[in-house]
Amino acid sequence: AQSVTQLGSHVSVSEGALVLLRCNYSSSVPPYLFWYVQYPNQGLQLLLKYTTGATLVKGINGFEAEFKKSETSFHLTKPSAHMSDAAEYFCAAQNSGGYQKVTFGTGTKLQVIP
Amino acid sequence: DAGITQSPRYKITETGRQVTLMCHQTWSHSYMFWYRQDLGHGLRLIYYSAAADITDKGEVPDGYVVSRSKTENFPLTLESATRSQTSVYFCASSDWGMTDTQYFGPGTRLTVL
Repeated sequence: AQSVTQLGSHVSVSEGALVLLRCNYSSSVPPYLFWYVQYPNQGLQLLLKYTTGATLVKGINGFEAEFKKSETSFHLTKPSAHMSDAAEYFCAAQNSGGYQKVTFGTGTKLQVIP
Repeated sequence: DAGITQSPRYKITETGRQVTLMCHQTWSHSYMFWYRQDLGHGLRLIYYSAAADITDKGEVPDGYVVSRSKTENFPLTLESATRSQTSVYFCASSDWGMTDTQYFGPGTRLTVL
């Protein structure tokens, strides 16, 4: 079964600094990959997703993620953190080629320090 | 209002009681999902539905019942609530399947005493 690992349950960055949130998946077959963001007391919303094609995926709010098959990774980055980026971020994966459920990681809470 | 709504937003109940959490979406999306969110576990799928009258188990279905008589509604029932079911429950919908973007409701925080 697919598993998703997010390294670091809490990450702190200074405002203006690079944001890097790590995600690794377990499948030997490249899955579909997602990043969702959850703001306090809200549901999740999609930041970006990778299905096929270009391995660098751009999402909303200046975030992007790169699919690296050799590293089974899908890390989320943003060049310059903003206070409004403080939220919890979830990586998710689904095995392609079939009717498979999406597996979520345990989440990384991002703190942005002024 | 358009979108996906959940009710109630907060619920406190006692062990052994039956509780129903409601989910309503206005997009006519085919797929609907119920997740629970717990610290250290992220989101776990409880049940999902591909269309009206079609439902299937997810990762943690025990103790829950779902139905979907209408496309827009997907209620989740805890038949006899237990303390381990204290959690935040999220409903989501997507237009055509698992790889499609899922749109999440605001969540229901359930406490079982």
